[in-house]
Amino acid sequence: AQSVAQPEDQVNVAEGNPLTVKCTYSVSGNPYLFWYVQYPNRGLQFLLKYITGDNLVKGSYGFEAEFNKSQTSFHLKKPSALVSDSALYFCAVRFRGMDSNYQLIWGAGTKLIIKP
Amino acid sequence: EAGVAQSPRYKIIEKRQSVAFWCNPISGHATLYWYQQILGQGPKLLIQFQNNGVVDDSQLPKDRFSAERLKGVDSTLKIQPAKLEDSAVYLCASSLGAGGPYEQYFGPGTRLTVT
Repeated sequence: AQSVAQPEDQVNVAEGNPLTVKCTYSVSGNPYLFWYVQYPNRGLQFLLKYITGDNLVKGSYGFEAEFNKSQTSFHLKKPSALVSDSALYFCAVRFRGMDSNYQLIWGAGTKLIIKP
Repeated sequence: EAGVAQSPRYKIIEKRQSVAFWCNPISGHATLYWYQQILGQGPKLLIQFQNNGVVDDSQLPKDRFSAERLKGVDSTLKIQPAKLEDSAVYLCASSLGAGGPYEQYFGPGTRLTVT
């Protein structure tokens, strides 16, 4: 079955330290990969996406993500965390299903807490 | 560029009452999505429109939920009658296209409380 996993419900990082939010997937074919962020009491915002090419993708607010095809992972990273990065982060994977239509699967989300 | 607009932002109703949500997508976006998000969980797709046609409504509880996108622009989502378990945030999103690498842009959501 097609799936997306965010193995950590919560990640705690001290301000100024690097952060990583993990995402792994199991889907057929070559998927498109996305990260979204949700700040408290707000809708989701697009952060970045991987289509093809360079495995390191840069996005909004200083975030980047590394695509690893062999490990089927798309981990979100930032070199130096800010308290304002505290939010809920969702990984999403779009792939072409058996019926040739695109499907989008969402991860369950990871709560990122940055402590001053 | 204006974002995705939704109204109302908050709604409190009693069970068995009806409620409607409105969404205006980003201009030029052909694809519109309605999601239900339970607190602390990922969004669950309820229905997806491509222009004014339904692409996917497999997870829409059709006995009580309905949605339309007349003229391929604005959309409304209705619940009738509401149940306690419908308490959630209802998110509308839009994108340039339905497949491929198109990212979705989300509205602020409508927080529904059913008492």
